[in-house]
Amino acid sequence: EDQVTQSPEALRLQEGESSSLNCSYTVSGLRGLFWYRQDPGKGPEFLFTLYSAGEEKEKERLKATLTKKESFLHITAPKPEDSATYLCAVEGRGSTLGRLYFGRGTQLTVWP
Amino acid sequence: DTEVTQTPKHLVMGMTNKKSLKCEQHMGHRAMYWYKQKAKKPPELMFVYSYEKLSINESVPSRFSPECPNSSLLNLHLHALQPEDSALYLCASSQETSGNRETQYFGPGTRLLVL
Repeated sequence: EDQVTQSPEALRLQEGESSSLNCSYTVSGLRGLFWYRQDPGKGPEFLFTLYSAGEEKEKERLKATLTKKESFLHITAPKPEDSATYLCAVEGRGSTLGRLYFGRGTQLTVWP
Repeated sequence: DTEVTQTPKHLVMGMTNKKSLKCEQHMGHRAMYWYKQKAKKPPELMFVYSYEKLSINESVPSRFSPECPNSSLLNLHLHALQPEDSALYLCASSQETSGNRETQYFGPGTRLLVL
């Protein structure tokens, strides 16, 4: 079965202190890896889709990278408004079309 | 525009009530999804509709009944729910082309409390 593990579970950063979140996955042929940001009580907000190893995407202070076994979400010079839970999900070619496997998320807190 | 809207934002219902959750998207997406999310857990897939036909039912109890009246609308009818059904209910949609489903875009969710 496809599996996703995110680490760390929680991360506290001082404003401006760059760091990375990890998403390790096991999947029978990757169809896509997705990063979402979720604020408390809100729906997940789409950030990035990655399809193949070596791919990178950037948006403001965030950069997502992908290897054959894991993805990293790099946060450069974070601000308090970046505080949220970051979810990683994968869709495998061996899975039913449209079924995403989510990790448990990394809860990021950025303090001033 | 990547907006999925959901109504109501909050819902409180008794175990004998019947209520419905509504979801709407105008992105031309042909796949729509219902998820359930408990606190501090990831979303759990409940149902998937593809071209207005139910394609995935994740063994959800019959007290949850989905409906897709047209390509833009998705409903979730609720009847005789239990307190443990209290959760955030999320709708999502995605483009579907040549047998592939693209990125799923989520709505803001409906916070449901069952008393």
